[in-house]
Amino acid sequence: DQQVKQNSPSLSVQEGRISILNCDYTNSMFDYFLWYKKYPAEGPTFLISISSIKDKNEDGRFTVFLNKSAKHLSLHIVPSQPGDSAVYFCAAANFGNEKLTFGTGTRLTIIP
Amino acid sequence: DTAVSQTPKYLVTQMGNDKSIKCEQNLGHDTMYWYKQDSKKFLKIMFSYNNKELIINETVPNRFSPKSPDKAHLNLHINSLELGDSAVYFCASSVRETSTDTQYFGPGTRLTVL
Repeated sequence: DQQVKQNSPSLSVQEGRISILNCDYTNSMFDYFLWYKKYPAEGPTFLISISSIKDKNEDGRFTVFLNKSAKHLSLHIVPSQPGDSAVYFCAAANFGNEKLTFGTGTRLTIIP
Repeated sequence: DTAVSQTPKYLVTQMGNDKSIKCEQNLGHDTMYWYKQDSKKFLKIMFSYNNKELIINETVPNRFSPKSPDKAHLNLHINSLELGDSAVYFCASSVRETSTDTQYFGPGTRLTVL
């Protein structure tokens, strides 16, 4: 039962343009959402999060948008840089609970 | 200075063998986790320990036994290895109060069962 879905396994974006990564979830009990970034041969690294009481959270070049009615969130990276090339995982949780439910990841490639 | 370290990085073994993966964190965290990333790239939690006490145990076969000798270490022992155990295993750690978004992951151990 895949409660968090990232339907695009890969995405290529020109350097300097906007990267938009999407994530859908099915469990309406989730109230906290996170994005993790993973380079090859390394573990995932926390990037940005959003609580269900918000619809947007911004941190530098990274912005996460949450649409609760559609059970959809997205990560915007602007401008995209070559160092952003990585696999991005979406995760969902009940805030205060250690258990994170991850999607299968989207491989982002930034083309110089 | 590595925050969350795992050994070994790669492990190739035969079906039926017993193997262990070790994890150590030097962040002073009180909660540690084991995740499994299978061939379909699902990253799924297996276990979580807080101060050496088991707090999350997902439906994992009892061939998998975590052991936490102290709060800086969480080892994973796997008995009677099966082909389906081939995966990348990630250890992670956090402070329990903020564990929803501050889980720090190790580099992973790629286990291949032949």
